[in-house]
Amino acid sequence: QVQLQQSGPGLVKPSQTLSLTCAISGDSVSSNSAAWSWVRQSPSRGLEWLGRTYYRSKWYSNYAVSVKSRITINPDASKNQFSLQLKSVTPEDTAVYYCAGETSAHTGLGVWGQGTTVTVSS
Amino acid sequence: QSVVTQPPSVSGTPGQRVTISCSGSSSNIGSHYVYWYQQLPGTAPKLLIYRNDQRPSGVPDRFSGSKSGTSASLAISGLRSEDEADYYCAPWEDSLSGYVFGTGTKVTVL
Repeated sequence: QVQLQQSGPGLVKPSQTLSLTCAISGDSVSSNSAAWSWVRQSPSRGLEWLGRTYYRSKWYSNYAVSVKSRITINPDASKNQFSLQLKSVTPEDTAVYYCAGETSAHTGLGVWGQGTTVTVSS
Repeated sequence: QSVVTQPPSVSGTPGQRVTISCSGSSSNIGSHYVYWYQQLPGTAPKLLIYRNDQRPSGVPDRFSGSKSGTSASLAISGLRSEDEADYYCAPWEDSLSGYVFGTGTKVTVL
């Protein structure tokens, strides 16, 4: 059974970098069939897919156009986890952030982390 | 706002069948699989339907999905009180190079 455990701060100051980590158990971040995503949810923006990383003989990442200039999603195979970094945050980035996994192609985001409420405020 | 639209709310009585529509375009629903998620209050979304009409193990067969052209639907038959939740469709969107979630539909069991 695949499980995801999120960690990271719940408060970030404007203009700083939001950083969250998602630890995977029951699967591998380096799996050749899985993809690992970050999704956020706010009252104003609803559910918003931010991006993902996946391994297909080499590492790939793709990001939503809305955050592409500010986001990095990095895998860490040694710790079997992946991370989200979102730079230059503003109060509009205040949201519940989820990590999620798609364990085989075209099977949807079938496993989710518990969610982290991140508030951007000074 | 999302490029994939859903009705804000639907309601039904226990035992009834309700359907939730999901309207998109050729760059999302028209050319990609549709996924459906259920979100209970205060919890993470849960995958209900993948590849338009497939149910993950453990999802009751009361839930069914379909797709036609640039629209998709989720049907819930034999409505139960525990089905009260928000439901989201989510196809891949070419212009965003990623998944796009629909606007969401709140299901109320009267």
